[in-house]
Amino acid sequence: GNSVTQMEGPVTLSEEAFLTINCTYTATGYPSLFWYVQYPGEGLQLLLKATKADDKGSNKGFEATYRKETTSFHLEKGSVQVSDSAVYFCALRLIQGAQKLVFGQGTRLTINP
Amino acid sequence: NAGVTQTPKFQVLKTGQSMTLQCAQDMNHEYMSWYRQDPGMGLRLIHYSVGAGITDQGEVPNGYNVSRSTTEDFPLRLLSAAPSQTSVYFCASSYFGEVNYGYTFGSGTRLTVV
Repeated sequence: GNSVTQMEGPVTLSEEAFLTINCTYTATGYPSLFWYVQYPGEGLQLLLKATKADDKGSNKGFEATYRKETTSFHLEKGSVQVSDSAVYFCALRLIQGAQKLVFGQGTRLTINP
Repeated sequence: NAGVTQTPKFQVLKTGQSMTLQCAQDMNHEYMSWYRQDPGMGLRLIHYSVGAGITDQGEVPNGYNVSRSTTEDFPLRLLSAAPSQTSVYFCASSYFGEVNYGYTFGSGTRLTVV
């Protein structure tokens, strides 16, 4: 089946640290990949996406590269800020079938000043 | 554009009561879905719809009903509320056949069943 696995949280970093949140997927087809962010008390917002192998999605200083050979889509940011504290979800979507969005379990990130 | 609008934002129910969570979108999206979010459980799909008149079950459909009479609206009905249904509920919508777009989410309904 189709699934997404994220690194377990919570993750706590100091401001200006380098961030990596690992995400790997299993898919029966060729998915589009997404990172969503959920700030406290809010819904999910699309952070970035990539639709084919070697594509790099980027937004607000975050980046993730679609790696087909390792079935991965790791989220990175060079220098995190307190305002980046949130829950991050990796997700995939396939063109086949019902085209449901399949989420990972989420990673809670806390940035300390 | 309002995007995806969910009402109410907060609700407290007594066990056994019924209610309807409303979801409306103004983006002409064919695809709509309901998720629940529980601590440590991520997002779990309850029901989804690929167009008016078409609905299907997700991972955790028991205790919930949906219907899709229009493209814009996708209400979620709790038939007889139970404490296990205490959760945050999110509605999301998307184009069908355009998987590159991902979903647009509502701001959520926080439901407590006592």
